[in-house]
Amino acid sequence: GQQLNQSPQSMFIQEGEDVSMNCTSSSIFNTWLWYKQDPGEGPVLLIALYKAGELTSNGRLTAQFGITRKDSFLNISASIPSDVGIYFCAGRLSSLVFGKGTRLSVIA
Amino acid sequence: NAGVTQTPKFRVLKTGQSMTLLCAQDMNHEYMYWYRQDPGMGLRLIHYSVGEGTTAKGEVPDGYNVSRLKKQNFLLGLESAAPSQTSVYFCASSSGFGNTDTQYFGPGTRLTVL
Repeated sequence: GQQLNQSPQSMFIQEGEDVSMNCTSSSIFNTWLWYKQDPGEGPVLLIALYKAGELTSNGRLTAQFGITRKDSFLNISASIPSDVGIYFCAGRLSSLVFGKGTRLSVIA
Repeated sequence: NAGVTQTPKFRVLKTGQSMTLLCAQDMNHEYMYWYRQDPGMGLRLIHYSVGEGTTAKGEVPDGYNVSRLKKQNFLLGLESAAPSQTSVYFCASSSGFGNTDTQYFGPGTRLTVL
C-alpha cells in the first residue's frame, strides 16, 4: 500500500529559528495536506496543495508540492512557542494516507 | 457551527466490555471517517462512510464495527474490547467532492482498555 515517510520524527529548536520538515513517498499523489495537532486536540488543516510545483503560504508557514508528485515540504519561519505540536503530512491519490508526524518542541 | 464533535472524551473499559463512540458533524458532509492514533504510528483509518447507510473497511478494521444511520452521525462500536484497542480515536468528515476534498477532525476520544 501507499506509505509516507515523514522526517524528522522530532525536533527541538530555539524560539525564532526556522523549521523545515518533509514527506516523501514511492507513490505519486494528487493532493498534499499539512495538518497540525496540538496536545489533546484533533489535527487541524494548515495548508492544502493541489498541483505539482505549487508553493503556498499561510502566515509564517510555507509548503510546496514536489514536482515529481512524490514529496512535499513544510517550512515554518521565526518559530514561536505556540508552534509546539505534531505536524502531519497527508497525501491523496484515491484515499488519504498520513505520515507518522513530526513532533516539534520550541525552547523559549 | 460546532464542526465535528465526539463523545465521550475519555473512557476506561475492562477487557471484554463493549462501548460505542459517537461522532457528529454539522457541515452536511457526505464522507465520515474513524481513525485511531497510537504513539509513533500516526493516524490509521479504521472504517469510513461515503454516505448515509454505507460503510467500508479501512486499514485496521478488525475488532470494530460502524454504522451510519443518519448523515450527520457515524458510530464506532467495540463489541469486546481488548487492551490492544487502547488508543486515541479521531473522527473526521469531508464533503467527498473532487481533488480539493479536505478532512476536518473532531477533538478525539481517549480510550483505555484494562
